[in-house]
Amino acid sequence: DIQMTQSPPTLSASVGDRVTITCRASQNIDTFLAWYQQRPGRAPKLLVSDASTLESGVPSTFSGSGSGTDFTLTIRSLQPDDFATYYCQQYSDYSPTFGQGTKVDIK
Amino acid sequence: QMQLRESGPGLVKPSETLFLTCNVSADSMSTSRYYWGWLRQSPGKGLEWLGNVYYSGTTYYNPSLKSRVTVNVDTSKKQFSLKLTSVTAADTAVYYCARHRSIVGARGAFDIWGQGTMVTVSS
Repeated sequence: DIQMTQSPPTLSASVGDRVTITCRASQNIDTFLAWYQQRPGRAPKLLVSDASTLESGVPSTFSGSGSGTDFTLTIRSLQPDDFATYYCQQYSDYSPTFGQGTKVDIK
Repeated sequence: QMQLRESGPGLVKPSETLFLTCNVSADSMSTSRYYWGWLRQSPGKGLEWLGNVYYSGTTYYNPSLKSRVTVNVDTSKKQFSLKLTSVTAADTAVYYCARHRSIVGARGAFDIWGQGTMVTVSS
């Protein structure tokens, strides 16, 4: 299995802050990476695919970057709705795997 | 907007078999670009993919669970299902069905999710 490691596990921030979440793959996954947002009690929501392609309807304050083994999800200006847990997922092979998540909470 | 909804028992006894069904509200499941998948989420293991099925019946499974998992599809009913055998407490989780947007084969992101259903394994 390809292991996905996210950091930090928890991030405390304020509305308006710029936030960066990192995801590292245990081997080269090219740009076969997605990011999800999950609010408490809800299913994950796809934000970004192919490392940097924003899904329709996702605010432009979100952006994804990276290739190979190192990836980032950036929230340019944190909004109240953005306090949630974020997960990365690789789909480089036929056994998709997820990171352990980064919880963004209110400072 | 397409919706997926899981259904099945919320409580399963240890060593028994878990069955879940996902109903898809869409004109058709028989589209070439999509697979249909099952995932679960538990506090101990995070998000875990279990298996996928294509409308033709082709399946892919998580190697760590392959001997216990079966995913089937019935396109006429717009449903796909999960069977997990010999369950233990470690299988207690929220189970999600999701549409898997394929780029090559069964590789891609999960773009539409059901609301999830909690399954507890306990006697």
